[in-house]
Amino acid sequence: GEDVEQSLFLSVREGDSSVINCTYTDSSSTYLYWYKQEPGAGLQLLTYIFSNMDMKQDQRLTVLLNKKDKHLSLRIADTQTGDSAIYFCAESPNTGGFKTIFGAGTRLFVKA
Amino acid sequence: NAGVTQTPKFQVLKTGQSMTLQCAQDMNHEYMSWYRQDPGMGLRLIHYSVGAGITDQGEVPNGYNVSRSTTEDFPLRLLSAAPSQTSVYFCASTNAGNTIYFGEGSWLTVV
Repeated sequence: GEDVEQSLFLSVREGDSSVINCTYTDSSSTYLYWYKQEPGAGLQLLTYIFSNMDMKQDQRLTVLLNKKDKHLSLRIADTQTGDSAIYFCAESPNTGGFKTIFGAGTRLFVKA
Repeated sequence: NAGVTQTPKFQVLKTGQSMTLQCAQDMNHEYMSWYRQDPGMGLRLIHYSVGAGITDQGEVPNGYNVSRSTTEDFPLRLLSAAPSQTSVYFCASTNAGNTIYFGEGSWLTVV
């Protein structure tokens, strides 16, 4: 079945860039997402990219998609302590989103 | 803005007890779903609904029931709680634009 893989942990220093990587298996994925989960809270959508795009930039966030390698990355520029959270990569092959497949989440630690 | 509202936020159950996690959304979304989150496993889909009166099973449906009598509400029932159902549960709803909105989660412990 479909699968989304990502590293479980990433540690960076405040002010550095963070790069969180993700690979997925479903070649029919149409929508690819990054969600952020802060402690004790639900998931919040950070950004998403359509499969016909290579890159999307939104302020400090840059999403890169390599569709050939089924690789998605999220770069956070000038990482701040407030960026410490779990980041989930997710993919969906269709509209509606209810069959979205989530990765296990990457826990980002930001050291002051 | 209410969005997706889940209750209760915390619950402790004894093995064999039943309970219902409530979920309501005020965004008129057609699609609603329940996920469970376990350490190192991401979110797994339990059940989902594509509209009032229509539900279907997700990846891990055993031990759970759902119903969708209205567009707004999508309760999740644990029929006979087991320790393996200790988890964090998230209700979500989505629109045709494919953005998923999550509730704040319900922390369930089964002892």
